[in-house]
Amino acid sequence: EPEVTQTPSHQVTQMGQEVILRCVPISNHLYFYWYRQILGQKVEFLVSFYNNEISEKSEIFDDQFSVERPDGSNFTLKIRSTKLEDSAMYFCASSRDSNTGELFFGEGSRLTVL
Amino acid sequence: GEDVEQSLFLSVREGDSSVINCTYTDSSSTYLYWYKQEPGAGLQLLTYIFSNMDMKQDQRLTVLLNKKDKHLSLRIADTQTGDSAIYFCAEIPTSGTYKYIFGTGTRLKVLA
Repeated sequence: EPEVTQTPSHQVTQMGQEVILRCVPISNHLYFYWYRQILGQKVEFLVSFYNNEISEKSEIFDDQFSVERPDGSNFTLKIRSTKLEDSAMYFCASSRDSNTGELFFGEGSRLTVL
Repeated sequence: GEDVEQSLFLSVREGDSSVINCTYTDSSSTYLYWYKQEPGAGLQLLTYIFSNMDMKQDQRLTVLLNKKDKHLSLRIADTQTGDSAIYFCAEIPTSGTYKYIFGTGTRLKVLA
């Protein structure tokens, strides 16, 4: 069964360092998302991506964040200068439709900023 | 703004029914979803209901939707220890947005 894969599963980084989280969405999906879940809190929407551009982003997704689909299969989230409060589980998701289909989530990448 | 609220914890005995509740604010939501998150895993879609339905049954799962009260519930019949997980309610606001709004998640613990 096709699935969304994410790497790394866990990354520890120093504050101020750049981090890139990678995702391979399901191959025939057209919409891609990043969500995050700070420990004990809600799963929060960060950004959606369609047709090689950002469709929508939340207030969390400031200038420190960027997304890219560099090669038609990977979908990456970059945090330029990590802060302590960026520590969270980051989930990538993809869907065939924009608002009628289900989201398929990866297993998440846990980011720990020290 | 849009918001989805759930109680944080629910504990039931194996074999009993579990009922997980959710309230949402966006009355124009077209679809409402239940996702399950097992320890160390991503979220997996359990079931969803279209807003013009009151009830949907899928094997052991029953979803009830009360649009007037903006209340959604998930009933799991004959709850098993494998059902222990966090259950998230989610809505998709309309008006062309792509973001799914998730609730806080309800941690279900099934006691043997």
